Amino acid sequence: DVKVTQSSRYLVKRTGEKVFLECVQDMDHENMFWYRQDPGLGLRLIYFSYDVKMKEKGDIPEGYSVSREKKERFSLILESASTNQTSMYLCAIQGRVSSPVTEAFFGQGTRLTVV
Amino acid sequence: GQNIDQPTEMTATEGAIVQINCTYQTSGFNGLFWYQQHAGEAPTFLSYNVLDGLEEKGRFSSFLSRSKGYSYLLLKELQMKDSASYLCAVNNAGNMLTFGGGTRLMVKP
Repeated sequence: DVKVTQSSRYLVKRTGEKVFLECVQDMDHENMFWYRQDPGLGLRLIYFSYDVKMKEKGDIPEGYSVSREKKERFSLILESASTNQTSMYLCAIQGRVSSPVTEAFFGQGTRLTVV
Repeated sequence: GQNIDQPTEMTATEGAIVQINCTYQTSGFNGLFWYQQHAGEAPTFLSYNVLDGLEEKGRFSSFLSRSKGYSYLLLKELQMKDSASYLCAVNNAGNMLTFGGGTRLMVKP
């Protein structure tokens, strides 16, 4: 069974706090992604990583950063949380680009509320 | 740019058939995925199409026309548990998914 584990299911943080969202996978997949999901807007890509220490900006990277020090772990960082970052955050993994295309697997999501 | 459109909401009756459409305009197309997402849960994989035509998997089928930038998901013999959001996602050449806004399907008795 594929496991993509996000560190928290629910999180409440104050405006201005630094927030860390962790994602750990057990599939040895190279590609890892962070999305946020908001009603009416669907899933939007924040950042992704194709390998350790590699990171690429997605469609909405402003206000976020990421870290991938180990292959199995991809962290999303909110440097200074703001109320407009209240959202559901989903981590996903997918196989390497050169492999046959495989589906993406998602973590359970972290519902972050910034007050 | 990338643009993926699907209806926001649909309603259907238990036992019926429903078709959820998805149109897309993207660069570097490398297949299209359909995911199901129940409220409060993670998306789960339903189907993948990379060639034109119909892929059937039990009660669910998915169709792709690359020339028209069009796909649909067909759900037969609807059950109450099929009430969920259905997400269309295009896979680009870099194995990166771009999602549509999702279609919320409500199945009524």
